[in-house]
Amino acid sequence: AQKITQTQPGMFVQEKEAVTLDCTYDTSDQSYGLFWYKQPSSGEMIFLIYQGSYDEQNATEGRYSLNFQKARKSANLVISASQLGDSAMYFCAMRRTGGTSYGKLTFGQGTILTVHP
Amino acid sequence: SQTIHQWPATLVQPVGSPLSLECTVEGTSNPNLYWYRQAAGRGLQLLFYSVGIGQISSEVPQNLSASRPQDRQFILSSKKLLLSDSGFYLCAWSVLAGVADTQYFGPGTRLTVL
Repeated sequence: AQKITQTQPGMFVQEKEAVTLDCTYDTSDQSYGLFWYKQPSSGEMIFLIYQGSYDEQNATEGRYSLNFQKARKSANLVISASQLGDSAMYFCAMRRTGGTSYGKLTFGQGTILTVHP
Repeated sequence: SQTIHQWPATLVQPVGSPLSLECTVEGTSNPNLYWYRQAAGRGLQLLFYSVGIGQISSEVPQNLSASRPQDRQFILSSKKLLLSDSGFYLCAWSVLAGVADTQYFGPGTRLTVL
């Protein structure tokens, strides 16, 4: 069974500083995808970044980058130059290629990020 | 561009009453559609997914059901709500296949069963 673990229930960061949100995963699949989503207080889930298991380069999207360490089964999200609007819940998720769980995203429990001015 | 709508935004229903939540997607054809539920302070749990009209797969046995009467419409229903059905319901869509298939979420419906 697949499992996503986010060990940081809450994180604090000063505005304009960088922050790393941890995510480890457990799967026996060779091919899988890793995603990060942001959920502000409004509730909508906003897609941030994707990393494929066979991608050799770490994914980057603007101020977001994914520190992918396949051997350690970790996919940490790095947010550079934090902004007040980054305060939200962040979820790590994983998708497998197929089988009986086609399309299913397995989510972690989330990390609440608070950015201080 | 693609957009996804959900309604209602909030709903308060008594135990034993029926439920119908609707999700529609604009700007894309033949999307994969998903219903998730999120309990307070928790991650998301996949309830149903659909790869085409009339094709529904259930992930978790429960008193909820889903239907897809049109290509871009996905409905979540219940004949009799339970207290445990309270939560935040999110609809999502995607168009690819495989591990890179990114799911995009709607604004959600907050359901309280009293």
